[in-house]
This record gives sequence, C-alpha cells and structure tokens, in this order.
Amino acid sequence: EVLLVESGGGLVQPGGSLRLSCSTSTVTFSDFEMNWVRQAPGTGLEWISYISSTGSTIYYADSVKGRFTISRDNAKRTLYLQMNSLRAEDTAVYYCATVAPFRDWGQGALVTVSS
Amino acid sequence: DIQMTQSPSSLSASVGDRITITCQASRDISNYLNWYQQKSGKAPKLLIYDGSKLETGVPSRFSGSGSGTHFTFTISSLQPEDFATYYCQQSDSLPITFGQGTRLEI
Repeated sequence: EVLLVESGGGLVQPGGSLRLSCSTSTVTFSDFEMNWVRQAPGTGLEWISYISSTGSTIYYADSVKGRFTISRDNAKRTLYLQMNSLRAEDTAVYYCATVAPFRDWGQGALVTVSS
Repeated sequence: DIQMTQSPSSLSASVGDRITITCQASRDISNYLNWYQQKSGKAPKLLIYDGSKLETGVPSRFSGSGSGTHFTFTISSLQPEDFATYYCQQSDSLPITFGQGTRLEI
C-alpha cells in the first residue's frame, strides 16, 4: 500500500492559480505512474491528468488542457498539479492516485474557486 | 473517448439482499474494467479490477463479471457497511472514464 498525502488546496478567485502537491514516503515512488482525479461537489469522479514514472509522457483531460500542468519530482517523492486560469467549475476535491487500476489514493484536497 | 453508462443511478435495498449494478462501455474495452466503492467524504476504494479480479482484502461477497462492452457488479449479501456509492471505470485507454455512479441506500 502506498500512502499519498495531498496539500495545497484552498479558496482562490476565478482566474487565479493554485498548486497542489501529493507526497509519499514510499521509496519506489519513481517507479509509479501517477494520476490526478477530481470530484465536484455532489457529482461523480473525473480523471484529469496522467504522468509516467519518468515524467516523459503526460496526458490531460480536455476540460483542463492548456490550464493545468502535471509534474513530478522523484527525488522529493512528490507529484504536483499547477492549476492556472481557474474557473468556478474547477471547484472540486482533487485526488492523486497511482496507475490504473487506482489502488492507492490520497485523502483529497478541496479547491474552491469563488469570488 | 469511451463513454461508460452505469445503471441504476440509485438503488434501495436491505441488509442481506443481493444487488447487481451494470456498466456498459461505448466500445470494446476487453476486461479493463474496475469497480470502486466510495463512502461520504472518503477517497474511492478499489474493489474489483480487470473485470472480475477481487482486490486483496475485499470480502468475497463482492464480485464482477463481463468483458467487451457489458459488465456487472454484484454484492451477494448486503452488509450494513456496504451502503455507499459505487463507480465503474475503464482503464483500457486515456482518457480514463468513470460511470456516473450508483448510490446504494437502505
């Protein structure tokens, strides 16, 4: 089991930016492909981004492409999600998760986009 | 993108009941279908992967079947702790997509 801990959530105004982090103490973090998944209030799950173990391959959902950037620092065992040009519809709990099937999830970080 | 159609969206049942949830993919995904349980305020938990494989530590009352485009998820005898929301997910290709969820209520 991989323990993942997210941080960086909070309240931000529309058009603002926020960076989420997902950290682990697992020494083999550099072996794991990682994903971000979000869940808007009262709704279902939406996959938003994937990054390969080395960071060389990245994918985004259309809903965040061009605004969000996924990255990782394997030396720090940390995954990031830089979120720019935030919109009200980006309000959600954001989870990091290991490669599908998603066995390991973080506890979630709440991002609220509101003026 | 592969669309996942999950039904029903909600289900009322009682302890001891057998329930089934279905998930239909918009195209063939082989057996790359996973099932998750989510309780309020918590991250989802993987129950079934690759269509029918029981995740380690998950009780055997949970099961999954199907391949191609049609999949089913069954709980053979509901326990009080099973009342939650369940999601199917395809991991055949990106973008990974989820079903809309089934809320299982007493």
